[in-house]
Amino acid sequence: QVQLKESGPGLVQPSRTLSLTCTVSGFSLTSYGVSWVRQPPGKGLEWIAAIWSGGSTDYNSALKSRLSISRDTSKSQVLLKMNSLQTEDTAMYFCARYRGTYVMDAWGQGASVTVSS
Amino acid sequence: EIVLTQSPTTMAASPGEKVTLTCRASSSVSYMHWYQQRSGTSPKLWIYETSKLASGVPNRFSGSGSGTSYSLTINSMETEDAATYYCQQGSSYPLTFGSGTKLEIK
Repeated sequence: QVQLKESGPGLVQPSRTLSLTCTVSGFSLTSYGVSWVRQPPGKGLEWIAAIWSGGSTDYNSALKSRLSISRDTSKSQVLLKMNSLQTEDTAMYFCARYRGTYVMDAWGQGASVTVSS
Repeated sequence: EIVLTQSPTTMAASPGEKVTLTCRASSSVSYMHWYQQRSGTSPKLWIYETSKLASGVPNRFSGSGSGTSYSLTINSMETEDAATYYCQQGSSYPLTFGSGTKLEIK
């Protein structure tokens, strides 16, 4: 069945770079896109970035200067990097399968990221 | 950026009650997606392209709307429907979500 699993460092110091990995199974990254969404504690959802099945990328313009999304299809992994982290970046980070009409039809369990010294 | 405003922010409904959640967009969008999120879990796709139920979603749920006004309706509230519901637009970047409606059981 379709599964996505996020992994990451948990705790990151301010001003450092966050690296998150989304490992997928049950579908191919060359057939579906993957999107990243974050949710600060007690708050709503914010779309961060996406990589399409063809490899093209889209970013939230508010965060674009700090973001990089890429993939390794041989490992079924999507990588998200965010630099210059601040405490406001503390959140649960989800990856989700992404398809036409920009819908996210399957989600991972999330990776908790805390930005603190 | 298209801003999505959901109302009400919080509501409580009794079992069997009809419930309608609203999502209004700051500009016209072609369709709306809805997600259900229970406490401590990841969001689940619930309704896509305005009115299509995701796999496994009970048919007491329905979605409708066009332009700047969309809604999610529960025909007869059940205990398991207590959750937060988010709308999401895909008509223009950046993709945006509403701030959510927390639905509780009375």
